[in-house]
Amino acid sequence: DSGVTQTPKHLITATGQRVTLRCSPRSGDLSVYWYQQSLDQGLQFLIQYYNGEERAKGNILERFSAQQFPDLHSELNLSSLELGDSALYFCASSAQGGLSGANVLTFGAGSRLTVL
Amino acid sequence: AQKITQTQPGMFVQEKEAVTLDCTYDTSDPSYGLFWYKQPSSGEMIFLIYQGSYDQQNATEGRYSLNFQKARKSANLVISASQLGDSAMYFCAMREGLYDPGNQFYFGTGTSLTVIP
Repeated sequence: DSGVTQTPKHLITATGQRVTLRCSPRSGDLSVYWYQQSLDQGLQFLIQYYNGEERAKGNILERFSAQQFPDLHSELNLSSLELGDSALYFCASSAQGGLSGANVLTFGAGSRLTVL
Repeated sequence: AQKITQTQPGMFVQEKEAVTLDCTYDTSDPSYGLFWYKQPSSGEMIFLIYQGSYDQQNATEGRYSLNFQKARKSANLVISASQLGDSAMYFCAMREGLYDPGNQFYFGTGTSLTVIP
């Protein structure tokens, strides 16, 4: 158990639908990151939050949105789903900065989304 | 320019042999960290090893070592005595500005390693 909790683990839905993926970061981590990994692809950075505020944005579609709540958990909302949105969605969290391995990025187990 | 470059899409290694997975990075920040992650076929992302830009010695974690060549901006992962369970995708990553806890991580495209019995 990495300490980063993602729900649901698996999700099957239809095109045009909307889903919400949830992430609880590791205790004490203020940064939350969302990544998308399509089949046999690398990690695509979507968005990052730090202590409730959006910090960086990657290739996140306008149909997708996210937020980080005061308790530091985060949600990724995917709407008007298309077949191409089928992927493994990772949430990851990291601790304070500094010159040590303590700032490692810790991943959750991922949420596997299948759009039919 | 790409922040992290992994030029080997796929690699094969004989069981019990050593293998080196290449990673080069691009940054002008003097403070950065380099990371390697393993992703087996089951999908989870497993942290393997970390090297800080100010670390004088190469990082080692069991059978994993990081060959850090700062001037060449390379951070190759060396796996010694390969095992069948090492077959996986390996990602190199970098985080700049380590004193800023909100900075993002950059990932390479990954190298798929297959260990042959």
